[in-house]
Amino acid sequence: NAGVTQTPKFRILKIGQSMTLQCTQDMNHNYMYWYRQDPGMGLKLIYYSVGAGITDKGEVPNGYNVSRSTTEDFPLRLELAAPSQTSVYFCASSYDAGAQVHNEQFFGPGTRLTVL
Amino acid sequence: EDQVTQSPEALRLQEGESSSLNCSYTVSGLRGLFWYRQDPGKGPEFLFTLYSAGEEKEKERLKATLTKKESFLHITAPKPEDSATYLCAVQASEGGSYIPTFGRGTSLIVHP
Repeated sequence: NAGVTQTPKFRILKIGQSMTLQCTQDMNHNYMYWYRQDPGMGLKLIYYSVGAGITDKGEVPNGYNVSRSTTEDFPLRLELAAPSQTSVYFCASSYDAGAQVHNEQFFGPGTRLTVL
Repeated sequence: EDQVTQSPEALRLQEGESSSLNCSYTVSGLRGLFWYRQDPGKGPEFLFTLYSAGEEKEKERLKATLTKKESFLHITAPKPEDSATYLCAVQASEGGSYIPTFGRGTSLIVHP
């Protein structure tokens, strides 16, 4: 298993440009997440999904959009990039069987985004 | 609102000098508390899950413990390769979404 993969690893955007960060997992996990991590600030949840076709906002969703058309893929769309979106973005997945204990999250390697 | 506070923010140790990292939490019913390790430039990597007060788990030089209000990650005789940021996350049993809340992490540096 490749686990959670993210592309690209690095990207520089100009203010106002748009881009999509790709995330794929091959573990058949139902939950997927997008986080951003700024220095000293921990992980902040942007969006999450509990299954294909279902997404919900996290703590910092403004300026981002997501979709979940398949179990495996969870792309994050940035529209009209702003310098405040300069950050490291992590995608993660986990499996939750409802009444059972929620298992740990598996994280991708991250995408380092700079908006100039 | 669920809250997770980790302390200290940064910790410098000499090789072999044991210490503990703290994760204090406020949550409506604990479903699970998770510890992760994050190396520079990489994504977090899972270490432990604790479910109930009194539970302990060990892995090599690391030992995680849990009470009703906090968790400790004890590092015994650390080595330079233990240098990393350690993240704590708490999952509540109430609220329905079961989305973990992360602390800001403790940056650990172990000097040879």
